[in-house]
Amino acid sequence: DIVMTQSPLSLPVTPGEPASISCRSSQSLLHSNGYNYLHWYLQKPGQSPQLLIYLGSNRASGVPDRFSGSGSGTDFTLKISRVEAEDVGVFYCMQALQIRSAFGQGTRLEIK
Amino acid sequence: QVTLRESGPALVKPTQTLTLTCTFSGFSLSTSGMCVSWIRQPPGKALEWLARIDGDDDEYYSTSLKTRLTISKDTSKNQVVLTMTNMDPVDTATYYCARTDEGKRLHDYWGQGTLVTVSS
Repeated sequence: DIVMTQSPLSLPVTPGEPASISCRSSQSLLHSNGYNYLHWYLQKPGQSPQLLIYLGSNRASGVPDRFSGSGSGTDFTLKISRVEAEDVGVFYCMQALQIRSAFGQGTRLEIK
Repeated sequence: QVTLRESGPALVKPTQTLTLTCTFSGFSLSTSGMCVSWIRQPPGKALEWLARIDGDDDEYYSTSLKTRLTISKDTSKNQVVLTMTNMDPVDTATYYCARTDEGKRLHDYWGQGTLVTVSS
């Protein structure tokens, strides 16, 4: 099974400042069709996870453009250009190359 | 509008079998590419994928839990049922069902989750 590793696990950020989260997979997530099967989710306090970025770099419907995803193969990054108070929560990367999904440990973003 | 709702017992005893039902609307499992997955989250911990069922009855299970899990569906009722045998306190978690897009392999709509506590 593919193992997902995120860093950092905790991320204190001042509003208006940028933030970056790294996600690494134990195997390449690049499919032969050219897509990276890596998704990003945000779980806000007390809520279910919500899809942010799919297939490595595509923003889900309604997601602000301050969120962006990049990377390929085994190394991926989620960037927030300017953090806002509403971004507080836990960010998860998830591999989807294998049907048996696997999530990272989560990165908790907090506002300084 | 796609919605999913989990239902089941809030408390089960160790060694008992847990049965959870996911009732959904806004999509059909008979539509090509639509699936439903179960995912759980122990308090304060990360998400863990458990199982998935497709419209054509293909079933997939977590490698570590496959001997304890069974997933099934009732397409006419828009329901998916997950059973987990031999429950243990470490299985205490919020259990989510989610719609899964088979093509992109993502969970795009989630239920609100149901907290299951395992305790004697």
